[in-house]
Amino acid sequence: SQQGEEDPQALSIQEGENATMNCSYKTSINNLQWYRQNSGRGLVHLILIRSNEREKHSGRLRVTLDTSKKSSSLLITASRAADTASYFCGAGANNLFFGTGTRLTVIP
Amino acid sequence: GAVVSQHPSRVICKSGTSVKIECRSLDFQATTMFWYRQFPKQSLMLMATSNEGSKATYEQGVEKDKFLINHASLTLSTLTVTSAHPEDSSFYICSARVGSGGAETQYFGPGTRLLVL
Repeated sequence: SQQGEEDPQALSIQEGENATMNCSYKTSINNLQWYRQNSGRGLVHLILIRSNEREKHSGRLRVTLDTSKKSSSLLITASRAADTASYFCGAGANNLFFGTGTRLTVIP
Repeated sequence: GAVVSQHPSRVICKSGTSVKIECRSLDFQATTMFWYRQFPKQSLMLMATSNEGSKATYEQGVEKDKFLINHASLTLSTLTVTSAHPEDSSFYICSARVGSGGAETQYFGPGTRLLVL
């Protein structure tokens, strides 16, 4: 069964704006990982947050994790047209399960 | 980050034939690899966990005799779709896990698009 569910399903913003995507999962996790996928390509690893961490930064990315609510958010600041892609969270213990992703469109 | 390759990137085959897809970790060793399939605009569905030197663990609903997985070395796992049919057409993606202590990270290959005619 799927562990991660992303919200919203689609998001369209202007270049320079911030984009926030949310993810919920169902059971216990060791960590949660966010990925980006361009159409027809594999998944590119963006950031990992451990189950005992609450917030993590990497460049323009900021990830939060709330294990009590079984949810995570990914914030992309100062978005660029090149950020246009689908974003997935992978959650799990031994395996990662994914939701349907958030389709982000950044308009130049 | 770690690099995972897949070969072939695209394959077209006739119904009834078998297709082998290779997944390699290029700059690290992976005792555990994973195979997913993805339909257009949908999620990645975990098919099986591939463990080096032992049998793969299949997810519920995935036929192990249909999708043969071999993980013969720490850098190579193969997925063979046997007697492929049009409904097997999909995007197959592998990943390799590295790290420990809560920081286990999965790195994905670029995927293989299979079209069965």
